[in-house]
Amino acid sequence: DAGVIQSPRHEVTEMGQEVTLRCKPISGHDYLFWYRQTMMRGLELLIYFNNNVPIDDSGMPEDRFSAKMPNASFSTLKIQPSEPRDSAVYFCASSLVPPLHFGNGTRLTVT
Amino acid sequence: SQQGEEDPQALSIQEGENATMNCSYKTSINNLQWYRQNSGRGLVHLILIRSNEREKHSGRLRVTLDTSKKSSSLLITASRAADTASYFCATDHNAGNMLTFGGGTRLMVKP
Repeated sequence: DAGVIQSPRHEVTEMGQEVTLRCKPISGHDYLFWYRQTMMRGLELLIYFNNNVPIDDSGMPEDRFSAKMPNASFSTLKIQPSEPRDSAVYFCASSLVPPLHFGNGTRLTVT
Repeated sequence: SQQGEEDPQALSIQEGENATMNCSYKTSINNLQWYRQNSGRGLVHLILIRSNEREKHSGRLRVTLDTSKKSSSLLITASRAADTASYFCATDHNAGNMLTFGGGTRLMVKP
């Protein structure tokens, strides 16, 4: 089992640029979660999917953020345009039943 | 916003000593989970305790849950330098795998 795979591991971009983060969940898992981790706010749930359908996106900060899950094996989190305050580590996690299985995250730096 | 509060925020002990971390939450839960995060990595599940359970053990880990006080504790016995990490509690309020994480406790175990 390869676990949850996220790419890229690190992303450095300039303010105003579009950023796309990618996630491959564990095969067979029907829940997928996107979390953001910062020193100031800790771990925040942004959005989660069940069977590829977004269930709760109330944690998405603003319209600059969007997430898709076109199929059971792939999800993206897009930020357009990016801002310095979006700098954080973004985690993807998947599950069938509890607990959650996390990827190693994407560290995003927006300058 | 974070549901749980963890105490202490940081803990430094010597190898062989026991480490106790506490977690408090605000609203009723279906279960409470503890996760570990090594620097630069994703979270790894340690143990899950259901709302009708009071204590659970896994190896050197012991978790207690007091639903009347809305609190939980994680005890790591005979700590090792490799236990150095951040530890997070997470609460599941609706049985939909949607977790709310606490702020974490940074544990340092000195050899």
